[in-house]
Amino acid sequence: GQQVMQIPQYQHVQEGEDFTTYCNSSTTLSNIQWYKQRPGGHPVFLIQLVKSGEVKKQKRLTFQFGEAKKNSSLHITATQTTDVGTYFCAGTGTASKLTFGTGTRLQVTL
Amino acid sequence: ETGVTQTPRHLVMGMTNKKSLKCEQHLGHNAMYWYKQSAKKPLELMFVYNFKEQTENNSVPSRFSPECPNSSHLFLHLHTLQPEDSALYLCASSQDGAGVGETQYFGPGTRLLVL
Repeated sequence: GQQVMQIPQYQHVQEGEDFTTYCNSSTTLSNIQWYKQRPGGHPVFLIQLVKSGEVKKQKRLTFQFGEAKKNSSLHITATQTTDVGTYFCAGTGTASKLTFGTGTRLQVTL
Repeated sequence: ETGVTQTPRHLVMGMTNKKSLKCEQHLGHNAMYWYKQSAKKPLELMFVYNFKEQTENNSVPSRFSPECPNSSHLFLHLHTLQPEDSALYLCASSQDGAGVGETQYFGPGTRLLVL
C-alpha cells in the first residue's frame, strides 16, 4: 500500500533558526497537503500543492512539491515559539485515498 | 473553530465497558472519517463514510463499530477494548470523500484511556 514517510521525526531548534521537514511517498501523488497539530490539539489544514515543482509561501513557511510528485518539503524561516507542533504531510495516491505521513515534531526554545 | 465537534473529550473505560464516541460536523460535508492517533504511530485511518455509506474499513478490529446515521453525525461504538486501544480518536470531515485531494477538517478528538 501507499506509504508516506517524513524526516526528521523530531527536531529541536532555537528561536530564529530555520527548520525543514521532508515528506517522501512510495507512489506518485496527485496532490500533497500539509497539516499542523499543536501540542494537545488536532491537525489543522495548512496548504495543498497540486502541480509538479509547485512552490507556495505562507509568510515564513515555504512549501514545495517535487518534480516527480513523490516528495515534498516544508521550510520555516526564522522559527518562532508559535511554530511548535507536529507537521504532517498527507498525499493523495492513485486510489484517491489521502494517506498521512509519519509527522515531524518541532520544538522551539528561546 | 473547525465546525467539527466531538464528545466526550476525555474518556476512561474498563475493558468490559461499552461506550460510544460522537462526532458532529456543521460544515455541510458529505464524507466523515475516524482516525486513531497513538503516541508512537502516525495517524491511522480507521473508517470512511461517504454519503452515509461506509467506503473504507482499514482492517479495524470488530470491537470498534462505526455508525453513520446521516451525513452530519458519526459514532464509534466501543466494546471490550484493550489497553493498547488507548489513544486519541479523531473525527474528520471533507466535502466529498470520493473526490481527489479533499481537505479534511478535524475535530478536537476524544482522549481515550482503557484500563
